[in-house]
Amino acid sequence: AQKITQTQPGMFVQEKEAVTLDCTYDTSDPSYGLFWYKQPSSGEMIFLIYQGSYDQQNATEGRYSLNFQKARKSANLVISASQLGDSAMYFCAMSPVGFGNEKLTFGTGTRLTIIP
Amino acid sequence: KAGVTQTPRYLIKTRGQQVTLSCSPISGHRSVSWYQQTPGQGLQFLFEYFSETQRNKGNFPGRFSGRQFSNSRSEMNVSTLELGDSALYLCASADGMNTEAFFGQGTRLTVV
Repeated sequence: AQKITQTQPGMFVQEKEAVTLDCTYDTSDPSYGLFWYKQPSSGEMIFLIYQGSYDQQNATEGRYSLNFQKARKSANLVISASQLGDSAMYFCAMSPVGFGNEKLTFGTGTRLTIIP
Repeated sequence: KAGVTQTPRYLIKTRGQQVTLSCSPISGHRSVSWYQQTPGQGLQFLFEYFSETQRNKGNFPGRFSGRQFSNSRSEMNVSTLELGDSALYLCASADGMNTEAFFGQGTRLTVV
């Protein structure tokens, strides 16, 4: 079974500052994928970034980067230069195969609020 | 290209009734998954369909079922609705080759 733990229920960050959202995971699968999604109040889940378990380098997508530490089983999301539009729920998720939406297991989420 | 479309956006049903939700994936995507989101249980995987076949199933009772048509559109059905079925139901589609799963805006079901 796979498990995702997000220990920060809510965070308040000043605009333009960098923010790190924590995520730890547990799995016995030899190959897996790690994902971060953003969910604004409208409800839609927006894909942010993906890291495969065998990827040597940390994934980056624009202002988003994933700090992957396999030995520690952590996959923290770093948002650089935060913007007001970043205020939303953020979910860390994993799947056993790493090909998208095959049985994603989600964490409980972190509500990020950007302060002007 | 058009995104994932879920209909209807909102539904109110009475306990004991049944409901059918629809999801149209992105054109060319053959994989469709369904998730239930509630304040108490969070996001939970329901099932996944690929080319009309159910490939994965979560831990939900048999009242929850789904199917996928030859055009990849998917429906999920919940029979004998309970108050606890009130939730946001999200559908996601993927092409099976890339790593992104694209979600729809969801259907918010309220059972009264």
